[in-house]
Amino acid sequence: QQPVQSPQAVILREGEDAVINCSSSKALYSVHWYRQKHGEAPIFLMILLKGGEQKGHDKISASFNEKKQQSSLYLTASQLSYSGTYFCGTDGDVYSGNTPLVFGKGTRLSVIA
Amino acid sequence: NAGVTQTPKFRILKIGQSMTLQCAQDMNHNYMYWYRQDPGMGLKLIYYSVGAGITDKGEVPNGYNVSRSTTEDFPLRLELAAPSQTSVYFCASSYSGGGITYEQYFGPGTRLTVT
Repeated sequence: QQPVQSPQAVILREGEDAVINCSSSKALYSVHWYRQKHGEAPIFLMILLKGGEQKGHDKISASFNEKKQQSSLYLTASQLSYSGTYFCGTDGDVYSGNTPLVFGKGTRLSVIA
Repeated sequence: NAGVTQTPKFRILKIGQSMTLQCAQDMNHNYMYWYRQDPGMGLKLIYYSVGAGITDKGEVPNGYNVSRSTTEDFPLRLELAAPSQTSVYFCASSYSGGGITYEQYFGPGTRLTVT
C-alpha cells in the first residue's frame, strides 16, 4: 500500500526549515528517502530501519516512529540546492526487509532566495 | 564504476511497435527494478528481480515483460506499444540481504513517447 506524504508542496526561503512526513497504514520494516530534481533520476538520501539504525545524509536528518508507522524528514537551514521532489519509500513486510519499496506521491519543495 | 546505465535516453514509438529498454549495473547488486514515472507523479514499480533467473510483477506489469539472465542486465520489453505507455522509465538496482534492502541506485532514465 502506498505511503502518504505531506505536505504535497512547500515553498521556503533560504535558511528556513521544513519537515516532510510519510505515513503508512501498515507496519514498516524500513523507510527510504530520495530526492529528485526536475529531469533527473532520484537520488538516495536516507534509510531508517526498524530498531533505530540509520544511514544518510550529513545535512538532512530523519526520524522513524515504528509504533505510529511514520517517518519524518527534517531539512534545516534550507539551501537553494534542496529544491526538488522528495519521495519516501516503504517496504512491504515487517518480518522481512527483502520486498520492493512502494513510493509515496512525493513532496515538491521549492527554496527561493 | 558506471553505476546503472540505461539505453536509449529517448525514443519515439508508433502505436503497435515493440522495443526493448536496456539496463545494466556494475555494482554486483542482487536486486534490480523497473519503474515508470508519469509527468508530475511518483514512481510505479513495473517489474523487479531478486537475482538472475528470478523476476516478479510489480504494481503495473501489463504490457511489459522482463528477463534477468545475468546479475548485470535487466532489459524491459514493451510489446504492442500504446499511448498509455508514454512515460519516463527508470531502472534501479540495490543490494538486499539480512532482511534489509539498502539504497536504490537509479539509472538516468529513458523518455518514451508513443504516438
